[in-house]
This record gives sequence, structure tokens and C-alpha cells, in this order.
Amino acid sequence: GQNIDQPTEMTATEGAIVQINCTYQTSGFNGLFWYQQHAGEAPTFLSYNVLDGLEEKGRFSSFLSRSKGYSYLLLKELQMKDSASYLCALLDSNYQLIWGAGTKLIIKP
Amino acid sequence: IAGITQAPTSQILAAGRRMTLRCTQDMRHNAMYWYRQDLGLGLRLIHYSNTAGTTGKGEVPDGYSVSRANTDDFPLTLASAVPSQTSVYFCASSAGESGANVLTFGAGSRLTVL
Repeated sequence: GQNIDQPTEMTATEGAIVQINCTYQTSGFNGLFWYQQHAGEAPTFLSYNVLDGLEEKGRFSSFLSRSKGYSYLLLKELQMKDSASYLCALLDSNYQLIWGAGTKLIIKP
Repeated sequence: IAGITQAPTSQILAAGRRMTLRCTQDMRHNAMYWYRQDLGLGLRLIHYSNTAGTTGKGEVPDGYSVSRANTDDFPLTLASAVPSQTSVYFCASSAGESGANVLTFGAGSRLTVL
């Protein structure tokens, strides 16, 4: 079967760095997405990884290890506006998206 | 402004009533999707359409129906609403049929069935 896990909630301090982990189990893999969702709003695309390694986009970076079934989203220089839920989504062998329940990130001043 | 428009934003509905959630996109995307989002669960796919004139069932299709008469519109109908259909519903679209494409989401429709 397929399974995707991420922590329910995390807290971090403004200006700091936080790493949000996502682990998965799947028989087939075609990539992993990260989306950001502010409370009461729509999810918006952050990153897509299909090969192992780190991809950097400004303050946000995403890492993938296919052999370990593991990804993380790294947020640097945290700002209050980064308070949101971060959704990890696995693209399986049938190109169907399997979504994690999301990690709610709380930023404190 | 290019994007996806959903209506209504919020609705309270009596059980047993019929309800249609509307979704319109102006990006000429081929694929469209309906998801529901419930607390503590990941987004779950209800129905999808890879191109105008075709539809398919997702993970949780029971109690819902869709149609795709043209590229822009993808309404979701609850024939006879039940309380377990209380949820936030998101319409999404992507340029290509493959799931590897980035999804653009509408703002959501919050539905409460009493």
C-alpha cells in the first residue's frame, strides 16, 4: 500500500530555520510535491522533486531521498507570514497524487 | 485575473437536499479535479476530468457526480446531501493530464450539511 506521514504541528521562532519532514511508503514513485496553505485559503505550489538532492528556491528548499522514502522542506529566515500548513504529496506509479495530512507551522515572534 | 472561481464560498444545507458546487477556470487547463479537505486528513480526490467530455472517479466518489461539458466548467453535484459530506471542497486544475503537473486551486467552498 501507500502511506505518507508528516508531523501534525511544529513551532518555530521568527528569523530561525525550520525543517518539515515527510516520509512515505509506495510501490511506485513519480515525484513529490510541497504545497503551502494559509488558514482558510487554497493550497499553493512550492516545489516538486523527482530526483534525489536539494532544490533551493529563495528562502525555501526541498530535499528528496528516494531510497529512504524521505523528503523535507527547509524554511530559512522565518517570517510571520510563513505561518501556514505545509502539505506533502506523493505522485504514485499511476500519476495519482497521495496527500499527507499537512504540518501546521506556528511562527512565534 | 486568471485562475479558478468557485461558488458558493460557503453554504449550509439540509440533509437530503441537492447541491451543486460551481467551478470555472480561465487558464484553458485540460485537467480539472474536485477534492475534499477534512481536519486531520489529507486532500482526497472525489472526481477528475483529464479533458472536456471525459470524467473519472477518484478516491471518494460515492454521493457525488460531475460533468465536463466544456474546458472551463467542472461542477460538482451532491444528489442528496448527508452530514458526512460536511467539508471544505476545493476545485483544482492543471495544464496537462499527467499528475506531474502543478495544480492551481480555487479558494474553496465550505459546505455544512445538517
